[in-house]
Amino acid sequence: EIVLTQSPATLSLSPGERATLSCRASQSVSSYLAWYQQKPGQAPRLLIYDASNRATGIPARFSGSGSGTDFTLTISSLEPEDFAVYYCQQRSNWWGFTFGPGTKVDIK
Amino acid sequence: QVQLVESGGGLVKPGGSLRLSCAASGFTFSDYYMSWIRQAPGKGLEWVSYISSSGSTIYYADSVKGRFTISRDNAKNSLYLQMNSLRAEDTAVYYCATCGGDCYFFVYWGQGTLVTVSS
Repeated sequence: EIVLTQSPATLSLSPGERATLSCRASQSVSSYLAWYQQKPGQAPRLLIYDASNRATGIPARFSGSGSGTDFTLTISSLEPEDFAVYYCQQRSNWWGFTFGPGTKVDIK
Repeated sequence: QVQLVESGGGLVKPGGSLRLSCAASGFTFSDYYMSWIRQAPGKGLEWVSYISSSGSTIYYADSVKGRFTISRDNAKNSLYLQMNSLRAEDTAVYYCATCGGDCYFFVYWGQGTLVTVSS
């Protein structure tokens, strides 16, 4: 099973600052990595798929990069609505899908 | 617009059964692979099961294999999850979601239905 590790667990930033979130896989997942945003009481929302493609309707301040085992989600300038939990997710084979434990971005 | 509405959650005793449903609208349901994903209270996301568009290919997480059964009715635009032999650790919000691409990620999610397994 491929394990995803996210860091940091919590990121405390102010609106307007840049957020850099990391996701590391225990073995290569090629570019088959997605990122989701989840706010309290809401379902997750797809942000990025295939490591670097923004989903429909996602603002340009969200960007994804990486391949193999190391991936990054960057929010270029935090808006008030961006404070949430972010999860990475992979499916690289038929052992199934796995999610990372999440990074909480909260207001400093 | 795409809408996924889960139902069927509730309180059930350990060892009991429950059947979840997901009603889909706003897209051609029969064209899409579908999944169930769950989230225990205060915890992260866990993939549960996946079914191909025709229903011919199905996968389960090891944690539910042999106890849960995923199915779909394309004529009714509906996805199901039959859950048997429920355990306390199955307590979670259960989401249905559409797959993207060849099901490498999850595009649209329902709002979820809460399943609580407790005596």
